[in-house]
Amino acid sequence: DGGITQSPKYLFRKEGQNVTLSCEQNLNHDAMYWYRQDPGQGLRLIYYSQIVNDFQKGDIAEGYSVSREKKESFPLTVTSAQKNPTAFYLCATKATGPNEKLFFGSGTQLSVL
Amino acid sequence: GDSVTQMEGPVTLSEEAFLTINCTYTATGYPSLFWYVQYPGEGLQLLLKATKADDKGSNKGFEATYRKETTSFHLEKGSVQVSDSAVYFCALPRLGGGADGLTFGKGTHLIIQP
Repeated sequence: DGGITQSPKYLFRKEGQNVTLSCEQNLNHDAMYWYRQDPGQGLRLIYYSQIVNDFQKGDIAEGYSVSREKKESFPLTVTSAQKNPTAFYLCATKATGPNEKLFFGSGTQLSVL
Repeated sequence: GDSVTQMEGPVTLSEEAFLTINCTYTATGYPSLFWYVQYPGEGLQLLLKATKADDKGSNKGFEATYRKETTSFHLEKGSVQVSDSAVYFCALPRLGGGADGLTFGKGTHLIIQP
């Protein structure tokens, strides 16, 4: 079944801890994205990658890190430097070409203990 | 940079009412425009899109027309159902063809009462 798998669905972070959110896709899309969603603020872009072994900062990259070692995978690490990590995190992919739509995973809710 | 502005919610309607959710955009040129829908606890799904001026996107009874004169892409539906309750996002490419992702509005929460 083709799609985007995000795990875990719920994640809790302790003070000073780094946590990693997983995003795996089998759509064979080159581009992958991480968005953060806060109530009433819409979606904000954290990082994106257009090709393996390359990624760029989005609008709110501070306190986050990513890697893109495989086409299928684009994990997001929320570091201890991110002081307000509680949010809903969404991973998305896009096929190559202009005007192509984004496909979204079902999200990970991160909360601070 | 390019941006979209949506009407704020929540918008509460009775079943079978007419729906309009306003969206206006600021952009260089004429980018593609999108409406996405998010059901509770889920990711976003594309609802419809339009790629050039005067295009009408439509899906599941929803429609939106790309109006360059008014820089608008309002979402409409003639008769809403309880199952349409969700958050709706207007979006456009961040830059160029959208390889670096989409910029989203803040979302409009729609509540349909039976």
